[in-house]
Amino acid sequence: QKEVEQDPGPLSVPEGAIVSLNCTYSNSAFQYFMWYRQYSRKGPELLMYTYSSGNKEDGRFTAQVDKSSKYISLFIRDSQPSDSATYLCAMSYYYGQNFVFGPGTRLSVLP
Amino acid sequence: EAGVAQSPRYKIIEKRQSVAFWCNPISGHATLYWYQQILGQGPKLLIQFQNNGVVDDSQLPKDRFSAERLKGVDSTLKIQPAKLEDSAVYLCASSLVTGAGTQGETQYFGPGTRLLVL
Repeated sequence: QKEVEQDPGPLSVPEGAIVSLNCTYSNSAFQYFMWYRQYSRKGPELLMYTYSSGNKEDGRFTAQVDKSSKYISLFIRDSQPSDSATYLCAMSYYYGQNFVFGPGTRLSVLP
Repeated sequence: EAGVAQSPRYKIIEKRQSVAFWCNPISGHATLYWYQQILGQGPKLLIQFQNNGVVDDSQLPKDRFSAERLKGVDSTLKIQPAKLEDSAVYLCASSLVTGAGTQGETQYFGPGTRLLVL
């Protein structure tokens, strides 16, 4: 079993839809959780960061962490074609190091 | 603010050859990371530097990979000799301090170097 798992997609949705992206993980020691967006042939860029369990909202993006279920989610409201990218979850045991990334989910938002 | 610079952008070599990648982080960033991203997978951390020192190199295949950070600024990652399974994108990232993702400590990634080993 891999440490961090994501559905690879591709996930295709119409413009304006609400998108739900998810990760599951196996190690309960993870405490810091992040979502990155990666456009084709670019490096990842940080979208959201959450410590421990709970929700965090930033504009059209909401991140949720459920440590009891070892499950994290990213919701994108009013999705746009510019949101088409690969979304990577990442987590770490210690502050600022030992980052582990999921394999990514490829999202396509159709105009 | 200039981003993380990497060169070359693309490299094709034959197995058993050597290759080196260069990274110039954002000015003032203390922490520098090298990741390997194989097609269809997420980035895997190879090595993390804080200033000149190594914080984590537990996943670096030390029999063939080496990395150094010159004077706490630029960094080079070397593979010697390369294997077919080293074909991947090598990403460099930097952060002001720890890169945990809190405000002001985001990891900023470069565009990566695409390596193809034939």
